[in-house]
Amino acid sequence: GEEVAQTPKHLVRGEGQKAKLYCAPIKGHSYVFWYQQVLKNEFKFLISFQNENVFDETGMPKERFSAKCLPNSPCSLEIQATKLEDSAVYFCASSQAGVGYTFGSGTRLTVV
Amino acid sequence: SQQGEEDPQALSIQEGENATMNCSYKTSINNLQWYRQNSGRGLVHLILIRSNEREKHSGRLRVTLDTSKKSSSLLITASRAADTASYFCATDAGQGAQKLVFGQGTRLTINP
Repeated sequence: GEEVAQTPKHLVRGEGQKAKLYCAPIKGHSYVFWYQQVLKNEFKFLISFQNENVFDETGMPKERFSAKCLPNSPCSLEIQATKLEDSAVYFCASSQAGVGYTFGSGTRLTVV
Repeated sequence: SQQGEEDPQALSIQEGENATMNCSYKTSINNLQWYRQNSGRGLVHLILIRSNEREKHSGRLRVTLDTSKKSSSLLITASRAADTASYFCATDAGQGAQKLVFGQGTRLTINP
């Protein structure tokens, strides 16, 4: 069936290195969301897109985090100069008209 | 800040018993959703209940919503070992593609 594809599944970075995560939303879904889950607990909203436009970025740490959703490319979440506290599972979700979100399986980022 | 508070944080029952999890939230909502997360995996959408609905069923799942108390409950009847997972409620407060605000989850363990 249709799924939100996230790559890579696991990513290990040394502190200070860059990390880039990818998300291919379900075809036809115009909304994409990124969430961060630390220690299997709370899901923290980071950013959402409507097509290639930023819809809500209130959860994004401004200094080191950036994200894009360009036409005909997977969406991406990039963390510059990673810190230990960035270690988490990052989930992407997509939806059509904001209802019925489908989540990807996540990328586990470990910063050492 | 976290919108939803889930209760209990952990629940352990015998196979065949019913499991009830509760979720409270703080602001007005358009709908409330329940998700399941198996260990190390992504979120699976279980059920959505709109703010004008009071109860909804899907298979062995029953969700209630009390907007006057800003609370919801998820009942899983005749539990199975495969129901072992974490369960999260999430609220969607805005029009269009708004972010989901998650509770902290209930860890459900079904003992054979």
